[in-house]
Amino acid sequence: AQSVTQLDSHVSVSEGTPVLLRCNYSSSYSPSLFWYVQHPNKGLQLLLKYTSAATLVKGINGFEAEFKKSETSFHLTKPSAHMSDAAEYFCVVSSYTGFQKLVFGTGTRLLVSP
Amino acid sequence: DADVTQTPRNRITKTGKRIMLECSQTKGHDRMYWYRQDPGLGLRLIYYSFDVKDINKGEISDGYSVSRQAQAKFSLSLESAIPNQTALYFCATSEQSNQPQHFGDGTRLSIL
Repeated sequence: AQSVTQLDSHVSVSEGTPVLLRCNYSSSYSPSLFWYVQHPNKGLQLLLKYTSAATLVKGINGFEAEFKKSETSFHLTKPSAHMSDAAEYFCVVSSYTGFQKLVFGTGTRLLVSP
Repeated sequence: DADVTQTPRNRITKTGKRIMLECSQTKGHDRMYWYRQDPGLGLRLIYYSFDVKDINKGEISDGYSVSRQAQAKFSLSLESAIPNQTALYFCATSEQSNQPQHFGDGTRLSIL
């Protein structure tokens, strides 16, 4: 069965410093992986997706993630945090057993201070 | 206008009441999903539908029912609401099963 573990429930950074949100996954076959962002009172928005093409995936708003099969990781990074990045981030693995079932991590709340 | 619209956005009701949450989409997607979000638990799948005639239970369907009235509409019902169904509910759509899902802004439901 597929699962994801987000290693930090909260991450605090200062504006202009790098962001690292950590995600490890478990999958019995080559997975599809996603990062979604949720701003307050909003639904989830897709940041980026990995679907077995390039291992370094670029997303919206300057975010990127690197798929590392040997480490079963899919960490999300951004070189320089902006105040508007403050939100909750979800790492998601997709299993396809007749339909695309999304398995969500428990989320990481990113706090950005001035 | 939003591609996936959920109504109402907020609802407070009492135990035992019947509640319907509605979802409509303008994306033309066949696949639609209902999730609930609880703090610290991520999102969990309640029901999903491949098309109007194909509805399936997710991992936490007990106490819920759904109706797919048209390709664009997928409603979630709580027949007799109980306090532990207090949560944030999301509707989502996807074009194909292996494509990313698109989410509505959610319905915050409180059951007293």
